[in-house]
Amino acid sequence: ETGVTQTPRHLVMGMTNKKSLKCEQHLGHNAMYWYKQSAKKPLELMFVYSLEERVENNSVPSRFSPECPNSSHLFLHLHTLQPEDSALYLCASSLITGTSGGGELFFGEGSRLTVL
Amino acid sequence: TQLLEQSPQFLSIQEGENLTVYCNSSSVFSSLQWYRQEPGEGPVLLVTVVTGGEVKKLKRLTFQFGDARKDSSLHITAAQPGDTGLYLCADRKPSGTYKYIFGTGTRLKVLA
Repeated sequence: ETGVTQTPRHLVMGMTNKKSLKCEQHLGHNAMYWYKQSAKKPLELMFVYSLEERVENNSVPSRFSPECPNSSHLFLHLHTLQPEDSALYLCASSLITGTSGGGELFFGEGSRLTVL
Repeated sequence: TQLLEQSPQFLSIQEGENLTVYCNSSSVFSSLQWYRQEPGEGPVLLVTVVTGGEVKKLKRLTFQFGDARKDSSLHITAAQPGDTGLYLCADRKPSGTYKYIFGTGTRLKVLA
């Protein structure tokens, strides 16, 4: 089992569809992240969960809905998306220890989303 | 809002050449990280630097952190096709937050 696994790797959906992206980490980490990677833009932090509690929500539209049922799994539920939401969605995890903050981010391979 | 500008944006070179890419921050770094993202993969951490003036070496890669901790460079010696990818600098913010601010990236292609 690899460190951070994302499924599906590719997803094409219409604007009226509902789909979900899944992320699983096998590293024993306690924080999980969703990032959006678009062409010509820096990686954008969308959501952060620490110990299954959402601790960051970067003004993401409500058509993106995260879910973190336990420290190993993270979902991103998608509904009524727009074509401009087409991007690579990256999941990451890290180990938060004491007061040192997050260390290294371990990323999955990403889910390439195309909204028609 | 902190901005990380990377240059050049794109770089295409022949195998065996040397190159340097740069990362400049609008404010002092808390903790600078460099990641490499190969095509079809997620970013992978190369190095973390914390101290101004610090130099770290990773095989053919040399990372330099500016004395004022607002800029950094990555030098690759004798580039190889396996070095192809997107190089990202990031600022790992201090404890109490979970923010990592990423730069705009340098996309490197090394031709055989």
